[in-house]
Amino acid sequence: NAGVTQTPKFRVLKTGQSMTLLCAQDMNHEYMYWYRQDPGMGLRLIHYSVGEGTTAKGEVPDGYNVSRLKKQNFLLGLESAAPSQTSVYFCASRTIYSGSKSIYGYTFGSGTRLTVV
Amino acid sequence: AQSVTQLGSHVSVSEGALVLLRCNYSSSVPPYLFWYVQYPNQGLQLLLKYTSAATLVKGINGFEAEFKKSETSFHLTKPSAHMSDAAEYFCAVSQGEYGNKLVFGAGTILRVKS
Repeated sequence: NAGVTQTPKFRVLKTGQSMTLLCAQDMNHEYMYWYRQDPGMGLRLIHYSVGEGTTAKGEVPDGYNVSRLKKQNFLLGLESAAPSQTSVYFCASRTIYSGSKSIYGYTFGSGTRLTVV
Repeated sequence: AQSVTQLGSHVSVSEGALVLLRCNYSSSVPPYLFWYVQYPNQGLQLLLKYTSAATLVKGINGFEAEFKKSETSFHLTKPSAHMSDAAEYFCAVSQGEYGNKLVFGAGTILRVKS
């Protein structure tokens, strides 16, 4: 099925370890986003990308890096994990083209649950 | 800067009763507004969206929302709650020329009592 796929779905890290979360979309969307979800805080934007090779900081970028080397993939990296990064991470994508079926149609992945101990 | 406030982190209704989830936004330009639902351990599913067309927006599962510019509100309603409506609901706003980022409210957990 077309959509946004996130890997892994679950991960436990020790403080100081590094890891990369992968987001892949097969809808040829231009825009991609990484959010983190914490109880009582909704979803907060970490980084986003408006096209291949471009990235920008969101609301809570500290401690994270991203890369968009291919249009379909958006990677989120944690260089040195901290307990404060325990969260559920969501990737989303959308097209820039308006139209009855796609205008502002964000598609979300199913999330990655990360625990840092 | 745009922001979203959802009044009430938890709402409890009886099955068959009216569901009302409140959302107020702040935006310096005409906004695009969304309601998403999240069932336990799942991702976000779009319920409905307002994109400057009709002010009363109908969504999936019998939900609807009305955009009221004078009140800067976009409250979500459903005439009769069903047990399957129990979930967390997020209001979100989008604006801006670059990236069109979604800004989310803190969420409202809806509990449906039998």
